[in-house]
Amino acid sequence: DTGVSQDPRHKITKRGQNVTFRCDPISEHNRLYWYRQTLGQGPEFLTYFQNEAQLEKSRLLSDRFSAERPKGSFSTLEIQRTEQGDSAMYLCASSLGAGQNEKLFFGSGTQLSVL
Amino acid sequence: DAKTTQPNSMESNEEEPVHLPCNHSTISGTDYIHWYRQLPSQGPEYVIHGLTSNVNNRMASLAIAEDRKSSTLILHRATLRDAAVYYCILRGYGGSQGNLIFGKGTKLSVKP
Repeated sequence: DTGVSQDPRHKITKRGQNVTFRCDPISEHNRLYWYRQTLGQGPEFLTYFQNEAQLEKSRLLSDRFSAERPKGSFSTLEIQRTEQGDSAMYLCASSLGAGQNEKLFFGSGTQLSVL
Repeated sequence: DAKTTQPNSMESNEEEPVHLPCNHSTISGTDYIHWYRQLPSQGPEYVIHGLTSNVNNRMASLAIAEDRKSSTLILHRATLRDAAVYYCILRGYGGSQGNLIFGKGTKLSVKP
């Protein structure tokens, strides 16, 4: 068990470009979450999947953001037409989804800088 | 979702106990209290959680007030590696079950 893996660790892009991040959850974890974190703030929920189904999306997730988890394993988060306000740490987490006893396991994140 | 209130920062000396408080006066009867911590340059890490009774694990203890309007995370002997931001989160039943709502947390500094 290697934990939650995120790729890349860092991404620098120019405003208006598209970027895609990948998350590999802990194997057999059926839930996968995406969060965003800016400096000095706690992580903010973006969306989550139960297997391949996207069950909840935050109002923070604008139309420029899309997430997929095609086979219920790894997930991708794409941001189209990036803006400087998208600069943040993007965190992925996975869990076995045990209701209120659920424990999330987070990756180390992808740091996005939009110039 | 019910909110929590934590001090912005706390300091501790190495090898001394640390008590991190959390107020959650609007907690409902079915809300669990979860604690996560985030070390520098890492994602959050689960620490402990509970409903009514005090809880212990290898990382920490969780003391929950009898009226459940507050709780305290206890690190029995702080080490330099415990320097992190500690988040107290309420996990409810129904509503937005699918996510944890993080506040700003308490930044714990540990002095050698």
